Amino acid sequence: DAKTTQPPSMDCAEGRAANLPCNHSTISGNEYVYWYRQIHSQGPQYIIHGLKNNETNEMASLIITEDRKSSTLILPHATLRDTAVYYCIVRVRYGGSQGNLIFGKGTKLSVKP
Amino acid sequence: EAGVVQSPRYKIIEKKQPVAFWCNPISGHNTLYWYLQNLGQGPELLIRYENEEAVDDSQLPKDRFSAERLKGVDSTLKIQPAELGDSAVYLCASSPGTGGKSEQFFGPGTRLTVL
Repeated sequence: DAKTTQPPSMDCAEGRAANLPCNHSTISGNEYVYWYRQIHSQGPQYIIHGLKNNETNEMASLIITEDRKSSTLILPHATLRDTAVYYCIVRVRYGGSQGNLIFGKGTKLSVKP
Repeated sequence: EAGVVQSPRYKIIEKKQPVAFWCNPISGHNTLYWYLQNLGQGPELLIRYENEEAVDDSQLPKDRFSAERLKGVDSTLKIQPAELGDSAVYLCASSPGTGGKSEQFFGPGTRLTVL
């Protein structure tokens, strides 16, 4: 079972920031927070990951609370092409089945004009 | 650089027929994954290969599903015989290195419809 909880859906206006929350209250000290997204009829796409510090790349920013029990993915200026299902996943970064990606149902983000 | 290639993109078969899906991972990626995705659900891992060895096949229904990765490059996933409940999208992913340390790159998937 997925170890994260996400809202099933969210809307965002085009050009505004999209803030996608994720709860992972049982996260272990060696588990990272990963975000993937899946645009309709495509495979999932890696976005970003982090352990405890906030992270930023060309796609998004990841804010992890100090107690690491929740995080927020931020798309700073959402476009229509960001409409997708966003998956928050916790996993360890080493071998064995513990390192497998376990997807939940994710959050369906709809960016509207 | 080419991404993960899967074929066919769509397949419609009648129940009890066999079906096979093919995956060509990103060049140089040692680890290959097969996932199953039902409508409205996230992908579920079926099998993970590191080079040519299946290191995690605990979720593969071995009575009807089989997979191979000869020479540690391309991979084929087979279902024989197919059942109505096998209708789903079958995704292939690859990652560089081994041991689950790296990010996974997914192909577009094969949508299977069993009638």
